[in-house]
Amino acid sequence: TQLLEQSPQFLSIQEGENLTVYCNSSSVFSSLQWYRQEPGEGPVLLVTVVTGGEVKKLKRLTFQFGDARKDSSLHITAAQPGDTGLYLCAGAQDNYGQNFVFGPGTRLSVLP
Amino acid sequence: GAVVSQHPSWVICKSGTSVKIECRSLDFQATTMFWYRQFPKQSLMLMATSNEGSKATYEQGVEKDKFLINHASLTLSTLTVTSAHPEDSSFYICSARTHTGELFFGEGSRLTVL
Repeated sequence: TQLLEQSPQFLSIQEGENLTVYCNSSSVFSSLQWYRQEPGEGPVLLVTVVTGGEVKKLKRLTFQFGDARKDSSLHITAAQPGDTGLYLCAGAQDNYGQNFVFGPGTRLSVLP
Repeated sequence: GAVVSQHPSWVICKSGTSVKIECRSLDFQATTMFWYRQFPKQSLMLMATSNEGSKATYEQGVEKDKFLINHASLTLSTLTVTSAHPEDSSFYICSARTHTGELFFGEGSRLTVL
């Protein structure tokens, strides 16, 4: 079973600071997705990265897929309290998206 | 993005009763849906993969007779928690896979068994 690790597990920062969350594996994924989940709600898809080395930007969020498609990072610039939540990465184990592996999540708290 | 809806969002039941949770893909057809359980402040735990028109595939340690899954149409999968007990209280989430391979999640259903 392919495993995904995320770091850090917990992060508490002040509004306006920058941060980076990492998602790592020893295995190759055909694609990787990032989600944000708020308490009592289901995860919401933020981005899907497919190509090694790919960089995608979503407003203040920058996502990067490693060249070898084994790791990914999420960078948030000038974090805001609305960014608070559980960030999950999920790797697709095949090209059909049949099997996904989820990381344990990074719980981010942005203090005003 | 695609929309997946779960119902009910909250349910409270007495011990010994059965509870059904529905997961619908509202604007796309999903041949594959997934059911997860999430404990407080933890990540998602995959329970089973639901395939339209065939039996669900359960993860190791998940009782198939306890958690009945039916995927009778391309837009609906149901999870029935049979003879629920307090230890079954949890947050249950479904997801549906689009034809492009992306996963979209329902809002989740919080089950409390008294």
